[in-house]
Amino acid sequence: EPEVTQTPSHQVTQMGQEVILRCVPISNHLYFYWYRQILGQKVEFLVSFYNNEISEKSEIFDDQFSVERPDGSNFTLKIRSTKLEDSAMYFCASSDQGAFSGNTIYFGEGSWLTVV
Amino acid sequence: SQQGEEDPQALSIQEGENATMNCSYKTSINNLQWYRQNSGRGLVHLILIRSNEREKHSGRLRVTLDTSKKSSSLLITASRAADTASYFCATDRDDKIIFGKGTRLHILP
Repeated sequence: EPEVTQTPSHQVTQMGQEVILRCVPISNHLYFYWYRQILGQKVEFLVSFYNNEISEKSEIFDDQFSVERPDGSNFTLKIRSTKLEDSAMYFCASSDQGAFSGNTIYFGEGSWLTVV
Repeated sequence: SQQGEEDPQALSIQEGENATMNCSYKTSINNLQWYRQNSGRGLVHLILIRSNEREKHSGRLRVTLDTSKKSSSLLITASRAADTASYFCATDRDDKIIFGKGTRLHILP
């Protein structure tokens, strides 16, 4: 079964450093998402992306965050200057028709980011 | 907010028993979905129920939806050790889904 793959599975970074989290969505999908989950807390929406632009972003997704689809297969989340509170599991997700009308969104296994 | 809020926050039951988790939400929805998350792992889609449906089954899963009460329940019958996980309800709003806080289910041997 096709799946969303994320790398790295775990990254430890120093506060203030830039981090890029990578995702390979399912190949025929057109809608892409990033969510995050701080340890022990709920899964929070960060951003949705379609047709090479951001569709929607949450309050969490401030100027420190950016997303990019640099080629036909990868979808990346960049955090420019990490803060301690950015420590979380980051999930990439994709969908063929978007979340409209309940189309399934498929999630990757996540990337653990630890900022020290 | 359309966030779902699950209860209980945590549930421990004996293997073989049924587990029931509830979700409440605040505004009208088109669909409600349930996801499972094993510890430290990704989110797995379990089942979707549309606003015009009242009940749906998938294997050992049974989901109900009461739009008048803005609530849903997820029933797992004949629980197994492998069902130990966190379960989240999620409602769709525009082009995203919003998750509740989840119920941590622990199946005791």
